[in-house]
Amino acid sequence: GGIITQTPKFLIGQEGQKLTLKCQQNFNHDTMYWYRQDSGKGLRLIYYSITENDLQKGDLSEGYDASREKKSSFSLTVTSAQKNEMAVFLCASGSYEQYFGPGTRLTVL
Amino acid sequence: GDSVTQTEGQVALSEEDFLTIHCNYSASGYPALFWYVQYPGEGPQFLFRASRDKEKGSSRGFEATYDKGTTSFHLRKASVQESDSAVYYCALGVVLSGSFNKLTFGAGTRLAVCP
Repeated sequence: GGIITQTPKFLIGQEGQKLTLKCQQNFNHDTMYWYRQDSGKGLRLIYYSITENDLQKGDLSEGYDASREKKSSFSLTVTSAQKNEMAVFLCASGSYEQYFGPGTRLTVL
Repeated sequence: GDSVTQTEGQVALSEEDFLTIHCNYSASGYPALFWYVQYPGEGPQFLFRASRDKEKGSSRGFEATYDKGTTSFHLRKASVQESDSAVYYCALGVVLSGSFNKLTFGAGTRLAVCP
């Protein structure tokens, strides 16, 4: 089996701050994803990457950047944190079935 | 665009009750359908999928049947346990390239089972 690791587990930021979330997988999957999870709204796709150095925008990419420098890692940057924002960011990998990490919980003061 | 509707936002049951969580979808083409389960503090876990009309997916006592006619994939379990308390997500998947499956998730249903 494999595992997906997300760091940090909790992230507290200030309004306007640039914040970076990291994800590592050891499944050796080609495709990786970033989702945002808001209460009552399910999961929404922010970015995905089908191979190293590839980036594709999802449905919710505005306000975010991503980076895939290695096959095993995928980073997400919140370019300017919004005041009172609270959400969980989930990283996943896989093709037909997706495997999720435990999430990073973001709070913006 | 593609969408998934889960009718129940929350479900409260007692142990050994029968569970139904309703899932309906709207999609062009012929998507695959999935159920994921999320326990507190964890990411969603794949439960099972179905890829064609009338196919039944199942795992851990849960099951759902792909119904193209009613565009549904309702989750059922005959006898729930307290350990089944979690959030359940229905999703549809469309393969856009060889290695990318775009999943569209429903809003989720929170199941609470009391002993």
